[in-house]
Amino acid sequence: AQTVTQSQPEMSVQEAETVTLSCTYDTSESDYYLFWYKQPPSRQMILVIRQEAYKQQNATENRFSVNFQKAAKSFSLKISDSQLGDAAMYFCAYRSVGSNQFYFGTGTSLTVIP
Amino acid sequence: SQTIHQWPATLVQPVGSPLSLECTVEGTSNPNLYWYRQAAGRGLQLLFYSVGIGQISSEVPQNLSASRPQDRQFILSSKKLLLSDSGFYLCAWGDRYTEAFFGQGTRLTVV
Repeated sequence: AQTVTQSQPEMSVQEAETVTLSCTYDTSESDYYLFWYKQPPSRQMILVIRQEAYKQQNATENRFSVNFQKAAKSFSLKISDSQLGDAAMYFCAYRSVGSNQFYFGTGTSLTVIP
Repeated sequence: SQTIHQWPATLVQPVGSPLSLECTVEGTSNPNLYWYRQAAGRGLQLLFYSVGIGQISSEVPQNLSASRPQDRQFILSSKKLLLSDSGFYLCAWGDRYTEAFFGQGTRLTVV
């Protein structure tokens, strides 16, 4: 079965600085999707960014970007110019193309220090 | 556009009482539907998923059950709640090519 590992239970960053959250995954598939979700204190799960494995270009979404290393099975999230509203739990997730199941990591709690 | 509704937002129930959480999706047809549970400060545990009406896959044997009586309706139930059923429950939908879209969640406290 596929596994998703987030090795950083907690991270902190100064406001306006940059932080990188790590995620690794294990799969034998060649075609899949990777996601980063944000869960603020309201606990609503919000999609931050999505990456298709067949795309070599790293996805970006405003201040959020990923470093996708397919061979290393690594999918890190970089948050630039961190804002107080970025404080949340962040989950990395994996899905094979055509599969019904999503696999989530255990999450990284991000604190933004004013 | 697609929307997902989940209710109630908060629920306090005594041990031994029944449970019914409902989730509906609008703006799409034949979605995959999911129920997740999240303990405080923890990750998401997949409880059930469904690929069609009446088709339920259970990931974790437990005190809960799920049903899909209509294409865009997914219900999480229990006949008798346990203290250990307390948690945050999230409904989600997706199709074969999208991310999962989540409802706002239900905070269940069993007392």
